[in-house]
Amino acid sequence: KNEVEQSPQNLTAQEGEFITINCSYSVGISALHWLQQHPGGGIVSLFMLSSGKKKHGRLIATINIQEKHSSLHITASHPRDSAVYICAVTGTASKLTFGTGTRLQVTL
Amino acid sequence: DAGVTQSPTHLIKTRGQQVTLRCSPKSGHDTVSWYQQALGQGPQFIFQYYEEEERQRGNFPDRFSGHQFPNYSSELNVNALLLGDSALYLCASSLVGNTIYFGEGSWLTVV
Repeated sequence: KNEVEQSPQNLTAQEGEFITINCSYSVGISALHWLQQHPGGGIVSLFMLSSGKKKHGRLIATINIQEKHSSLHITASHPRDSAVYICAVTGTASKLTFGTGTRLQVTL
Repeated sequence: DAGVTQSPTHLIKTRGQQVTLRCSPKSGHDTVSWYQQALGQGPQFIFQYYEEEERQRGNFPDRFSGHQFPNYSSELNVNALLLGDSALYLCASSLVGNTIYFGEGSWLTVV
């Protein structure tokens, strides 16, 4: 069993839909990261969370430390949101352990 | 302010050869980590450098080695290349406890 599990693996949505991607982890963490990776390969950090909730534009990330669970929400989705979204955690050391990613396709 | 820069962006090597990949961290960042991402997979941690020393290492053979220079830039070296080493190699830099920044990666193809 992976230390970081994401669901769903693949997600197709229509433009304007509200999207939720879930992440569960089984290890102690110091922070959880939501990352975005486009087909070209580069990764962009969206959020780093250690508690509570963060919002940036149409993106919202929440974390429940007791339940070891985090969600990434995208409101009013747009085709430019199409990418792979990756949940990753840092433990007592600062290396990242990645989930397998959620491939999101937003259609017109 | 340039973010994390990696070079080369793409390269093709032959089995048994050696390769060196380079990374310049975001200005002010002192910690550099390297990750390998095979096609269709999530990134896997190779190692992390801080203050010119390897601080942590993932489950990679000794063929994978690295270095960090006084200006915090870093190199990843892979010896005796195998077909299975074909992947995207990502460099990430950070200050402890802060947001991690990734480079665009170096695509390595071993033929």
